[in-house]
Amino acid sequence: AQSVTQLGSHVSVSEGALVLLRCNYSSSVPPYLFWYVQYPNQGLQLLLKYTSAATLVKGINGFEAEFKKSETSFHLTKPSAHMSDAAEYFCAVSYNQGGKLIFGQGTELSVKP
Amino acid sequence: EPEVTQTPSHQVTQMGQEVILRCVPISNHLYFYWYRQILGQKVEFLVSFYNNEISEKSEIFDDQFSVERPDGSNFTLKIRSTKLEDSAMYFCAILGLAGGEETQYFGPGTRLLVL
Repeated sequence: AQSVTQLGSHVSVSEGALVLLRCNYSSSVPPYLFWYVQYPNQGLQLLLKYTSAATLVKGINGFEAEFKKSETSFHLTKPSAHMSDAAEYFCAVSYNQGGKLIFGQGTELSVKP
Repeated sequence: EPEVTQTPSHQVTQMGQEVILRCVPISNHLYFYWYRQILGQKVEFLVSFYNNEISEKSEIFDDQFSVERPDGSNFTLKIRSTKLEDSAMYFCAILGLAGGEETQYFGPGTRLLVL
């Protein structure tokens, strides 16, 4: 069965430090890939998506993610963390446009002053 | 970005009772989804709904669940006889365009607590 693995349920960084949230998917066929963010008591907001146009995808709030087929990965990065980035981040895949999303278990990002 | 609202934001119910969760997209959409997130667990797909029919459903979406679009705008998820394990956050999503490609946009969720 298709699955998504996010390495690390909690990641803590200092303000200004690099953010790296890891996501790996299990599939031989490159899927559509997404990162969503969930702020406390809110819904899921789309950060960025990969749909085969370019391997490096830029999203909102300074985040970007790189699709690496050889590693079946789609890690999320941000060069410099802000306090406002503290939230839960979910990686998700879909195997056809408009198809169901399969989510990873989420990574909670904490940002220390 | 398409907007989706959900009502109620919170619902507390007794085990065995029926609940109806509502999703209201601001503009016209044809493709809808329901997901749920049990506290501390991952977001799980329940069902997708296209052109007034279920297009795909998960194993979770058993006979206790149903979806409909009763008046052409609202999209509802009904749980006929709630169980304790139905306690979760339920998210509605709609398919909208982002950068020329279709993307799922989520509502703020309904937190359901079954006692």
